[in-house]
Amino acid sequence: LAKTTQPISMDSYEGQEVNITCSHNNIATNDYITWYQQFPSQGPRFIIQGYKTKVTNEVASLFIPADRKSSTLSLPRVSLSDTAVYYCLVGDMGTALIFGKGTTLSVSS
Amino acid sequence: ETGVTQTPRHLVMGMTNKKSLKCEQHLGHNAMYWYKQSAKKPLELMFVYSLEERVENNSVPSRFSPECPNSSHLFLHLHTLQPEDSALYLCASSQDRGGNTIYFGEGSWLTVV
Repeated sequence: LAKTTQPISMDSYEGQEVNITCSHNNIATNDYITWYQQFPSQGPRFIIQGYKTKVTNEVASLFIPADRKSSTLSLPRVSLSDTAVYYCLVGDMGTALIFGKGTTLSVSS
Repeated sequence: ETGVTQTPRHLVMGMTNKKSLKCEQHLGHNAMYWYKQSAKKPLELMFVYSLEERVENNSVPSRFSPECPNSSHLFLHLHTLQPEDSALYLCASSQDRGGNTIYFGEGSWLTVV
């Protein structure tokens, strides 16, 4: 499994755009990149998944450069309710996903 | 509502008790998982079931015993637990084993006294 590295924590203010970058230098050809969000005392929730270039949904955007050795989750105009832990996972379709420590995002008013 | 339901949400048990955690998924998925999350620690993958067959057991002590009677239900039987087993136990499912989107339940908070 490709190992991922992401910042332990980030701080932001309401209304700002937040970009969380994840490094995965050993990503394999078949691996997808998936981001999850977890609030305290709840299970993680799927945010977005991508393989290359850019993916956008109603919640976030995911930017993946051509070499796929990193990815950036972009949260537009965050609010207090976006305070959570964000996990970057990399894996192919045949392996269960292993969660790291994630990035704790704190949004203040 | 993720389509994965866990019961009970909270459980307090003594070290000599036997209890079970239940998970049910209404998504038609083929793979189900048990994860453990202790305070301020990453999620730990415990067991993986694919088409009702256990395919992974990540060195989990035998006091945790999983059961998957069909593709929609997953149990975690608990016996002679230790206080350090107190944690949030999360059930999850995915269409197939691995990198597809995983859907988690709300979790079962377990306290061992």
